[in-house]
Amino acid sequence: AQTVTQSQPEMSVQEAETVTLSCTYDTSESNYYLFWYKQPPSRQMILVIRQEAYKQQNATENRFSVNFQKAAKSFSLKISDSQLGDTAMYFCAFMKQYAGNMLTFGGGTRLMVKP
Amino acid sequence: DGGITQSPKYLFRKEGQNVTLSCEQNLNHDAMYWYRQDPGQGLRLIYYSQIVNDFQKGDIAEGYSVSREKKESFPLTVTSAQKNPTAFYLCASSNRDLDNEQFFGPGTRLTVL
Repeated sequence: AQTVTQSQPEMSVQEAETVTLSCTYDTSESNYYLFWYKQPPSRQMILVIRQEAYKQQNATENRFSVNFQKAAKSFSLKISDSQLGDTAMYFCAFMKQYAGNMLTFGGGTRLMVKP
Repeated sequence: DGGITQSPKYLFRKEGQNVTLSCEQNLNHDAMYWYRQDPGQGLRLIYYSQIVNDFQKGDIAEGYSVSREKKESFPLTVTSAQKNPTAFYLCASSNRDLDNEQFFGPGTRLTVL
């Protein structure tokens, strides 16, 4: 079974600054996917970014990028130029390949962006 | 617009009553999932269904039941056997033929009085 750990329950950052959220996972699989989901106060889960384990290049989506370290089983999310709308819970999630798209979630990190 | 709808947004029930939460999707996805989220915590899988007329228990299925009679619908019943049913419930779906992300509905907040 896979486990996903987010060691930072809460974080805060000043508007326009950069923040990094940590995620580590444990798996014996070689092929898998990793995701970061955002849950704002509305509680709607929104996909932020996705990384395929077979890709060495780190995924990037506008101000969001990841640092994927496969050997270390680490998958951190960097948010650049933080905006007030980035205030949310952020969940890291693991998906094994060819496994019915089943997700294993971490416990989440609550991010507060301060003006 | 394609998406997932959950109704109602807020639901109140008396202790000992069964209650059914609705989840409908028009994304033509085969797979659907139910999660429970408690305050400040991550999502835990209750039940999932990869195809019509078939479903599997997740990590915390006790006290819950589901049906999957139509591709578009995956209702969740919270029974009186569920000891602590007050929580936020999220439904999701995905295209099981692809290694693809799950898409989520807006959720239902259930409060048992």
